[in-house]
Amino acid sequence: RKEVEQDPGPFNVPEGATVAFNCTYSNSASQSFFWYRQDCRKEPKLLMSVYSSGNEDGRFTAQLNRASQYISLLIRDSKLSDSATYLCVVNRGSQGNLIFGKGTKLSVKP
Amino acid sequence: EAGVAQSPRYKIIEKRQSVAFWCNPISGHATLYWYQQILGQGPKLLIQFQNNGVVDDSQLPKDRFSAERLKGVDSTLKIQPAKLEDSAVYLCASSLNGLAADTQYFGPGTRLTVL
Repeated sequence: RKEVEQDPGPFNVPEGATVAFNCTYSNSASQSFFWYRQDCRKEPKLLMSVYSSGNEDGRFTAQLNRASQYISLLIRDSKLSDSATYLCVVNRGSQGNLIFGKGTKLSVKP
Repeated sequence: EAGVAQSPRYKIIEKRQSVAFWCNPISGHATLYWYQQILGQGPKLLIQFQNNGVVDDSQLPKDRFSAERLKGVDSTLKIQPAKLEDSAVYLCASSLNGLAADTQYFGPGTRLTVL
């Protein structure tokens, strides 16, 4: 089993749609969880951290289920500018050693 | 505030040649990371420095890859000799203290093509 697994993409959605990405991780000792966004031929950038209680940032909602070792990202009212690859990221230990999923590509169409 | 700087942005070499990449982290960041991102994959950590010491280099192919951060600021990553499978984007990142919850800030990367 891979350390971090994500939904295979790509997701092609119309503007205004709601889209959800799922991710599972294998190391039950992981403590920190993130979603990063990577635009085409650019570097990854932190989108949001994921907390056990769930957290929301505008149109973006992240959820964590430690028992199932499952992370999700929900994007509401998709914009053209949301088109990117979304990377699920989990830390390996206490030293900030991050494990990245392969990423899921999102294309939002007019 | 200046971000993470990397150079060169692009490099094309032939197999068996050597190549070096340079990274300047965000000022004041103690922790520096080098990642390899192969097309269609997520970044994979190669090495993590805390100041000028190595914290984790378990995934660095030490027979051909080396890295240093002598003064605890800038870092170089070297490949010698390069193989075709080393074609990838090499990303440098930095964080304030290297803690698990710290945000990692990435540079623009060096795109390496090995022919």
